[in-house]
Amino acid sequence: DAGVIQSPRHEVTEMGQEVTLRCKPISGHNSLFWYRQTMMRGLELLIYFNNNVPIDDSGMPEDRFSAKMPNASFSTLKIQPSEPRDSAVYFCASSRGQGAHEQYFGPGTRLTVT
Amino acid sequence: QKEVEQNSGPLSVPEGAIASLNCTYSDRGSQSFFWYRQYSGKSPELIMFIYSNGDKEDGRFTAQLNKASQYVSLLIRDSQPSDSATYLCAVNLIMNSGGYQKVTFGIGTKLQVIP
Repeated sequence: DAGVIQSPRHEVTEMGQEVTLRCKPISGHNSLFWYRQTMMRGLELLIYFNNNVPIDDSGMPEDRFSAKMPNASFSTLKIQPSEPRDSAVYFCASSRGQGAHEQYFGPGTRLTVT
Repeated sequence: QKEVEQNSGPLSVPEGAIASLNCTYSDRGSQSFFWYRQYSGKSPELIMFIYSNGDKEDGRFTAQLNKASQYVSLLIRDSQPSDSATYLCAVNLIMNSGGYQKVTFGIGTKLQVIP
């Protein structure tokens, strides 16, 4: 099993640019989570999908953030326009079943907005 | 009050000692409790989960849950330098009748095991 795959691993962009992060969950997992991790705020849940449907997006900070899951094997998190305060590590995780039993995390995308 | 609270540390223990990591949570309806380990620059990985009051042991790790006092702890016996990492406490809460379980993570406690 390849595990959760995320791309890119590192992204450096200028303020105002659009950023798209990608995730491929583990095959057979029907729950997908996007997290953001910073030193100050720790690991924060941004959005949770179950069977490709967004269930909880209460953690999405503002309208600049959007996430999609067009099929069971792919999800994107988009930031437009990006701001320096968006700099963080973004993790995608997947799990079996509804909810959040054992979550398997991807390697993360380190985003730097200058 | 934060939903899940942990001391960020660092917690320093000598090699071979017992490391005790603590976590408190605010919602009495919380159902499930998890400990994740995160090495520097890596992603979190699950090491223990516990659902019922009491102790659960797995090798050198013991998770302890006290729902009345709303705390969960992780004990690491015979600590090794390879245990040096940040330990994240995570708490599930069933949000509605549909079964959605919201996960909230603590800030994590950084553990340093000194050789």
